Amino acid sequence: ETGVTQTPRHLVMGMTNKKSLKCEQHLGHNAMYWYKQSAKKPLELMFVYSLEERVENNSVPSRFSPECPNSSHLFLHLHTLQPEDSALYLCASSQGSGTGRSYGYTFGSGTRLTVV
Amino acid sequence: AQSVAQPEDQVNVAEGNPLTVKCTYSVSGNPYLFWYVQYPNRGLQFLLKYITGDNLVKGSYGFEAEFNKSQTSFHLKKPSALVSDSALYFCAVRDDSNYQLIWGAGTKLIIKP
Repeated sequence: ETGVTQTPRHLVMGMTNKKSLKCEQHLGHNAMYWYKQSAKKPLELMFVYSLEERVENNSVPSRFSPECPNSSHLFLHLHTLQPEDSALYLCASSQGSGTGRSYGYTFGSGTRLTVV
Repeated sequence: AQSVAQPEDQVNVAEGNPLTVKCTYSVSGNPYLFWYVQYPNRGLQFLLKYITGDNLVKGSYGFEAEFNKSQTSFHLKKPSALVSDSALYFCAVRDDSNYQLIWGAGTKLIIKP
């Protein structure tokens, strides 16, 4: 285990469902991220939470809603998703801010989401 | 615009042979470069990074990467491939505007016995 835990590992949901992905880290990191991974495409940064700020990728649809109640937990709330949202959703954490933030990310194993 | 490119979708290498996975980048300032590996059904794992200093960077599992400023490349290398090296490899560069990582599309490395 990397120290970043994601649940569930697999999720199948209908387009009218509401579900949430959970990420938990006990590394003492102060920044957490949601990424979308689709086959043969670059990782897509969806959201960043750090002590200083929440950063959103403006291209992420509003049917994805993040929540970060504290520095160890991160959620991604899903509602009325589309089949093209099927992908591997990865959570990551890092320590440091600004320039320090990019000195290595620790990733979870991901949630494989299938929208039917 | 800052970017990173991995020109090969897949690389096939026989076990015991040297391997190279290519990465080129475009940044406005000094590049901060990274390689990550993803094994099946797992998240990405950090392999190595170049921030400054020697152009040859050594990382985990016997991998190394060579930073070439004139060619704007950061190719991943290993002298002798193992079947267990088969995985998806991602190159990334730091975006100087927000310090986030910009990722390549990944290269699937297949090592055949």
